[in-house]
Amino acid sequence: GNSVTQMEGPVTLSEEAFLTINCTYTATGYPSLFWYVQYPGEGLQLLLKATKADDKGSNKGFEATYRKETTSFHLEKGSVQVSDSAVYFCALMDMGRRALTFGSGTRLQVQP
Amino acid sequence: ETGVTQSPTHLIKTRGQQVTLRCSSQSGHNTVSWYQQALGQGPQFIFQYYREEENGRGNFPPRFSGLQFPNYSSELNVNALELDDSALYLCASSSVFGGQETQYFGPGTRLLVL
Repeated sequence: GNSVTQMEGPVTLSEEAFLTINCTYTATGYPSLFWYVQYPGEGLQLLLKATKADDKGSNKGFEATYRKETTSFHLEKGSVQVSDSAVYFCALMDMGRRALTFGSGTRLQVQP
Repeated sequence: ETGVTQSPTHLIKTRGQQVTLRCSSQSGHNTVSWYQQALGQGPQFIFQYYREEENGRGNFPPRFSGLQFPNYSSELNVNALELDDSALYLCASSSVFGGQETQYFGPGTRLLVL
């Protein structure tokens, strides 16, 4: 079956530091890949997505590249802000099933 | 952009009771998916409704049921509540465009079962 593995958190960084959150997946076929962000007490917000190999998704300074050869979709940001503190979820969608499979989430804490 | 709304925002029930959660999909979307997110975990797929029919189900018992209405809004019903049903329930709306789908989530309903 499909699965997503994320690095465990929390990840604690100082403001303006470089961020990487690792995500690898197992899936049949060619899934679409997503990063969602969840702020405290809220639902999930789509951060970025990629639908095929070598695609790069980007939004609000965050980037992730769909690497089929390593089955990875690592999230990166060059300079984090305190406002980026949240839980980040990597997810995949197998279009045959049309359901998202999520990782367990990585909590990011950015200190001023 | 989300436009997905859910009600109520919070709910407290006792074990054995029944609950109904509601979701209004984003304009232009014909699919609603429901997820359960336990504390500290990633969301788990419950089921999906497409054009008023169930279109896939995760590993949840039959006491979890749903409906979709002609305006594509949806309900999630849970019978015989158990303590482990305490969670954040998320709905997501979507449509397939060009063979691709992106699900947009509502704010969730937080259910506490005592």
